[in-house]
Amino acid sequence: EADIYQTPRYLVIGTGKKITLECSQTMGHDKMYWYQQDPGMELHLIHYSYGVNSTEKGDLSSESTVSRIRTEHFPLTLESARPSHTSQYLCASSEPSLETQYFGPGTRLLVL
Amino acid sequence: GENVEQHPSTLSVQEGDSAVIKCTYSDSASNYFPWYKQELGKRPQLIIDIRSNVGEKKDQRIAVTLNKTAKHFSLHITETQPEDSAVYFCAASRGSARQLTFGSGTQLTVLP
Repeated sequence: EADIYQTPRYLVIGTGKKITLECSQTMGHDKMYWYQQDPGMELHLIHYSYGVNSTEKGDLSSESTVSRIRTEHFPLTLESARPSHTSQYLCASSEPSLETQYFGPGTRLLVL
Repeated sequence: GENVEQHPSTLSVQEGDSAVIKCTYSDSASNYFPWYKQELGKRPQLIIDIRSNVGEKKDQRIAVTLNKTAKHFSLHITETQPEDSAVYFCAASRGSARQLTFGSGTQLTVLP
């Protein structure tokens, strides 16, 4: 079934650790996005990609980085996690000619 | 850039009553306006969208209206049910080459 997958779903980690949040989609979409969202609150765009080898920063300043080596895969990396990074991270994708975005289930990150 | 304001931030209605959530946008070139529903602990899901060449769109108990002159659009839910309780987000976009700008969300509670 076509969907967007995120792993891990929950992550508790200590300050200073390097982490990678995985996002993959079988929707056949070119465009992918990362949002940061505190529970029930506004979605903040932190990174997006139009396709392979394309990455852009979003509206919210973030200390994370992304890569897009394969169309279906868009991982997000935090080189050194801090408590301020505690949040939910949502991955999304959309078709190149349409604006409708479809979201993954999210990763809840807790940095101690 | 685009700015989307959403009101109210919380809304409580009795089961069977109607609920209305309003959004205003700043960029007159915006032409795509989706609404997402996010249940507690779940991913945002598209429930309805409208494009600027249409003034109203309905899907069963849900309708969206768009006033381009006033730059505002609204979500209408009729005959509300407890399962309608969720956070609702509006968004606006200038086209497929642009990103979605989200409103701050409305927590809707349907009281039995």
